[in-house]
Amino acid sequence: EVQLLESGGGLVQPGGSLRLSCAASGFSFSNYAMNWVRQAPGKGLEWVAAISDSSFSTYYADSAKGRITISRDNSRNTLYLQINSLRVEDTAEYYCAKGKEPTGSYYYVMDVWGQGTTVTVSS
Amino acid sequence: EIVLTQSPGTLSLSPGERVTLSCRASQSVSSSYLVWYQQKPGQAPRLLIYGASSRATAIPDRFSGSGSGADFTLTISRLEPEDFAVYYCQQYGTSPYTFGQGTKLEIK
Repeated sequence: EVQLLESGGGLVQPGGSLRLSCAASGFSFSNYAMNWVRQAPGKGLEWVAAISDSSFSTYYADSAKGRITISRDNSRNTLYLQINSLRVEDTAEYYCAKGKEPTGSYYYVMDVWGQGTTVTVSS
Repeated sequence: EIVLTQSPGTLSLSPGERVTLSCRASQSVSSSYLVWYQQKPGQAPRLLIYGASSRATAIPDRFSGSGSGADFTLTISRLEPEDFAVYYCQQYGTSPYTFGQGTKLEIK
């Protein structure tokens, strides 16, 4: 069974940093693109970042550029999201999601999602 | 970035009814790289439709997607009680891979 388990969320003061992790199992992690999506309380989905299978390509939302870094360790089957200079508006549930296919048109389509980890930025 | 506008924001319907949700892009979505997700309260989103019209695994055939260019629709032919949820479209043709703001289907 394909599973994604996020961790690393918590309460952080504005200006702080956090690294979220997503542990993957049940599929060949190194063959698939991965994404991070967040959802502020009571709000809609916001795509944050994506990374290719080999880490060669990374893509970011405009709101993430400069403060957020997506990375992966294929030897550990783990995806990461580093968030620096945290702001109150970064408060959200953060989901990792697996790309649908190892190549082709659906490479970045998100077919399996984790249950999320909660980040709260507050003083 | 491509802005996706979903309409309507909220729909109140009864089980058994047919519904069509709209997703309009601020510019053409390349190669119909458009997906639809369903999200229920307290749950992660679930992939329904990809490539504008292909159903994901285990998605009932009452769900269908269509459209191209900048106009896309999700149709549910006959609403079941479990279909009342929030639906999001997303384009993945051009980074950033933006979402629409969502359409909430609620029981009338």
